[in-house]
Amino acid sequence: GEDVEQSLFLSVREGDSSVINCTYTDSSSTYLYWYKQEPGAGLQLLTYIFSNMDMKQDQRLTVLLNKKDKHLSLRIADTQTGDSAIYFCAEIGTGGGADGLTFGKGTHLIIQP
Amino acid sequence: DTEVTQTPKHLVMGMTNKKSLKCEQHMGHRAMYWYKQKAKKPPELMFVYSYEKLSINESVPSRFSPECPNSSLLNLHLHALQPEDSALYLCASSQGLGGNNEQFFGPGTRLTVL
Repeated sequence: GEDVEQSLFLSVREGDSSVINCTYTDSSSTYLYWYKQEPGAGLQLLTYIFSNMDMKQDQRLTVLLNKKDKHLSLRIADTQTGDSAIYFCAEIGTGGGADGLTFGKGTHLIIQP
Repeated sequence: DTEVTQTPKHLVMGMTNKKSLKCEQHMGHRAMYWYKQKAKKPPELMFVYSYEKLSINESVPSRFSPECPNSSLLNLHLHALQPEDSALYLCASSQGLGGNNEQFFGPGTRLTVL
């Protein structure tokens, strides 16, 4: 079965980089996603990476994937107060199967002034 | 239009009421999803529709009844709910099924069952 693990909280100072980590167990080829959820809101897709990639960069966001350890990280450069939210790592299988997303428990990013 | 919209934003209902949640997208997506999110928990998949046909029902109780009248609309009919069904109900859509199709979420309907 699929299992996605994340630490529950991360506290960083404004202007520093934030690194949110995630581990997954599904050994089949998979897409891995990062979603952001602000209080009382829906989920905003931030970025995704396919498991045959090592890294993906998109403006302030960098995703790193270690396939051997099944470890995924999201780095947010120059963290701002607007980045305060819960960040979910999620995975899905390939092959056109009727799969929904399996989410981690979410990491609450707290920004200190 | 790159949005998934959901109505209503908030809903309070009694255990004997019948109500419906609505979801709409105009991105031409052919897969639509319902997720349930309890407080301080991640979303959990309830239903998947592909080309207006139900693909997945994740052992959801029959008091939740999904309906996909056309490719742009997804409803969730609610009847005889329990207080433990109170949650944020999220709709999502994607171009198709499978991992290479990003799922875009609506803002959710916050449901309270009294």
